[in-house]
Amino acid sequence: QVQLVQSGAEVKKPGASVKVSCKASGYTFTNYFMHWVRQAPGQGLEWMGIINPTGGSTSFAQEFQGRLSMTRDTSTRTVYMELFSLRSEDTAVYYCARGLGGTEYYFDFWGQGTLVTVSS
Amino acid sequence: EIVLTQSPATLSLSPGERATLSCRASQSVSSNLAWYQQKPGQAPRLLIYDASYRAAGIPGRFSGSGSGTDFTLTISSLEPEDFAVYYCQQRSNWLYSFGQGTKLEIK
Repeated sequence: QVQLVQSGAEVKKPGASVKVSCKASGYTFTNYFMHWVRQAPGQGLEWMGIINPTGGSTSFAQEFQGRLSMTRDTSTRTVYMELFSLRSEDTAVYYCARGLGGTEYYFDFWGQGTLVTVSS
Repeated sequence: EIVLTQSPATLSLSPGERATLSCRASQSVSSNLAWYQQKPGQAPRLLIYDASYRAAGIPGRFSGSGSGTDFTLTISSLEPEDFAVYYCQQRSNWLYSFGQGTKLEIK
């Protein structure tokens, strides 16, 4: 069965960076795009970016340009999201989400979420 | 950037009733729209994609309609487990956005 297992909760200080991992299993890793979506406490969903696991190409939402990186390791079937220059507003649950089969348009399987807390 | 506006913000209904949730796009997204359900402490779950196709394992009481800028999610007869927050989501030119959500609560 498809599973996306994310790394554990993080606490960071303002200005630091955080790297969250998402390990995939149960499907052909390179056949599906992976997205990252975040959700601030009590708020809605915010799309951050997408990575193509085949070649590693990425596309990011405008508001994250310059401080977001996404990478993948095909040998371990893992994608990574790294956010730099953290501020308190980045406190959120971060989700990886697989693109629906044959298209990257929608998100059919989600990780369990990783809480990132940014606090001095 | 395409903005999705959901209405109402909160919908109070009883089990067995019909729920109608709306999502309006600031410009046409064709049929590139999905609906998700999210319960407290859980990740979202894909319900509907391409405006009207049910995702795998989604009960038949969930249906979607619309195209262009106006979309609707209908739950024909509410079950207790359907009370949750619902989000619409669009994709256009490799950019994606969500509506702000509709909370479906028990009346």
